[in-house]
Amino acid sequence: QSVLTQPPSASGTPGQRVFLSCSGSDSNIGSNPVNWYQHLPGTAPRLLMFNDDKRPSGVPARFSGSKSGTSASLAISGLQSSDEADYYCATWDDSLSGSWVFGGGTKLTVL
Amino acid sequence: EVKLVESGGGSVQPGGSLRLSCAASGFSFDDYAMHWVRLIEGKGLEWVSGIDYNSDRFGYADSVKGRFTISRDSAKKSLFLQMNSLRIEDTALYYCAKTPGGIYDNSLYGLDVWGQGTTVTVSS
Repeated sequence: QSVLTQPPSASGTPGQRVFLSCSGSDSNIGSNPVNWYQHLPGTAPRLLMFNDDKRPSGVPARFSGSKSGTSASLAISGLQSSDEADYYCATWDDSLSGSWVFGGGTKLTVL
Repeated sequence: EVKLVESGGGSVQPGGSLRLSCAASGFSFDDYAMHWVRLIEGKGLEWVSGIDYNSDRFGYADSVKGRFTISRDSAKKSLFLQMNSLRIEDTALYYCAKTPGGIYDNSLYGLDVWGQGTTVTVSS
């Protein structure tokens, strides 16, 4: 069971806007910046968002991030078939000796 | 081109050992913290270990503490993971990843470069 909670699946149609959620606690999302990663099987994970809502260069503006309290969200607008992938949230957790924690991932299907 | 290339994976029996390597190129290796992250089939990504840019500090997931050791060699521009007392549940695809910052315990910048991974299979 992952420290960060993500719904296992989500779906949308091309052109639609979808929201992927990530729920944590005070020791992780509540006190540390959140990242989002996109992972297509057989490829290296790709950093989509850092510091809650900042896009690395090369990531389209269709992707946006937000955070409120102990929850974070990734929005994808103008959904494309190429967006079909697994999406993971991650952050540092201050509890005990500390560690990076990942969500269990959301499998996004473009219908 | 910024690149990370992992090697050293393989099949091993429970209780065995493996040493993973990650060769870095295209960036100033000495300036950045590095990590090992694994992809467990059916479970997703799990952080394994991280090390500061100068090797002063490092950390481990509870699941590998006392069994795995992370290290880095600036002359070889390489990151290593010595894995001892391997368990079936350590079976995974192991990725090497870089952070734009110098310390491993800060999620501000995320993990911006990842390798393609090396597969570790622990089975009797």
